[in-house]
Amino acid sequence: KQEVTQIPAALSVPEGENLVLNCSFTDSAIYNLQWFRQDPGKGLTSLLLIQSSQREQTSGRLNASLDKSSGRSTLYIAASQPGDSATYLCAVTRSYNTDKLIFGTGTRLQVFP
Amino acid sequence: GAVVSQHPSRVICKSGTSVKIECRSLDFQATTMFWYRQFPKQSLMLMATSNEGSKATYEQGVEKDKFLINHASLTLSTLTVTSAHPEDSSFYICSATPGLAEYNTGELFFGEGSRLTVL
Repeated sequence: KQEVTQIPAALSVPEGENLVLNCSFTDSAIYNLQWFRQDPGKGLTSLLLIQSSQREQTSGRLNASLDKSSGRSTLYIAASQPGDSATYLCAVTRSYNTDKLIFGTGTRLQVFP
Repeated sequence: GAVVSQHPSRVICKSGTSVKIECRSLDFQATTMFWYRQFPKQSLMLMATSNEGSKATYEQGVEKDKFLINHASLTLSTLTVTSAHPEDSSFYICSATPGLAEYNTGELFFGEGSRLTVL
């Protein structure tokens, strides 16, 4: 059974810091891995999608890496801003069933001025 | 943990027909439900936010008249794809959030998704 874990569960940092959020999954047979952001009371916003054959994806101040063999992904946020405050989730899709998303537990990020 | 059920998990229909997908929160009341769509090899995209007893809020580029959303009760939201066409073939997933702050730990509850194929 695939299990996805995110560490830390919560993070509070001052503005301007560079951040690393971690995601680990127990079954390396994944199809892709996605990072999402969720603001309180809102739906998910997709941030980055990494296919299993890729090692990283970048979008603006965000960079996500994937080490499929070790079952890990990291989301790097450069020069954090208060507007980055949200819950960040990673999710994987299994290679033998690309329909189902398995989400991590999330990291609640607060960036204070 | 809380359970969100989607039905059907897979549906195949002919072009021009309408298809209804149900999203139910089985053991909690959800004042807000979200509908997402995911095309192959693409990330999940939010289509609309459904609030119980009021009109849904649609994301930019999503046709309101084509994707009808009804959130008639605190445990049920439905998405109807009207006059479906092959380009509507996709994976649709809902998620639900408990309405009461004291029970809302920030954990998200998702349905397992519905695969729509329009021939």
